[in-house]
Amino acid sequence: EAGVVQSPRYKIIEKKQPVAFWCNPISGHNTLYWYRQNLGQGPELLIRYENEEAVDDSQLPKDRFSAERLKGVDSTLKIQPAELGDSAVYLCASSFPGGIDYTFGSGTRLTVV
Amino acid sequence: KNEVEQSPQNLTAQEGEFITINCSYSVGISALHWLQQHPGGGIVSLFMLSSGKKKHGRLIATINIQEKHSSLHITASHPRDSAVYICAAFLWRGSNYKLTFGKGTLLTVNP
Repeated sequence: EAGVVQSPRYKIIEKKQPVAFWCNPISGHNTLYWYRQNLGQGPELLIRYENEEAVDDSQLPKDRFSAERLKGVDSTLKIQPAELGDSAVYLCASSFPGGIDYTFGSGTRLTVV
Repeated sequence: KNEVEQSPQNLTAQEGEFITINCSYSVGISALHWLQQHPGGGIVSLFMLSSGKKKHGRLIATINIQEKHSSLHITASHPRDSAVYICAAFLWRGSNYKLTFGKGTLLTVNP
């Protein structure tokens, strides 16, 4: 089992450019989460999916951030345009309903210059 | 005030020392995670517990639901244990449980 797979591992972009992150959850996990983690802080939830439905996106800055999980399996998180303050680690996690077998990916470290 | 509080924020120990990291939370929970994060970002789940105590190798996690408190212990600490340890609790939000993270404890174990 590969675990939760995220790519890319690192990304450096100039401000105002778009960027996308990809996540493939553990097979069978219905629930998928995207988090943002700023330096020295705990992860903050951006969006949670139950299958292909976004059930909690209250913390997602919708003016520039978007996410999709079209077939209820892998997911993409996009930022367009990126700002300097978006520099952070973006983590994906997945679980069975109720948080069972909660597993994190390795994260994507984004640097906006 | 954070709903999930960890202490200490930073901890430096000598190899071989017994280490304790504490976590307290403010409302009812369904379960609590202890997570380990190494430089570079990846997070590994060490324990998920809702009562009692769990042990895995040199790591022990305990939780007291009545006192709303959990501890992570590392016996015979080693430099490779150096990481950020994060407590995350599924806090009751009125209609469901939501995973809420503490700010983490940076552990440095010196040889």
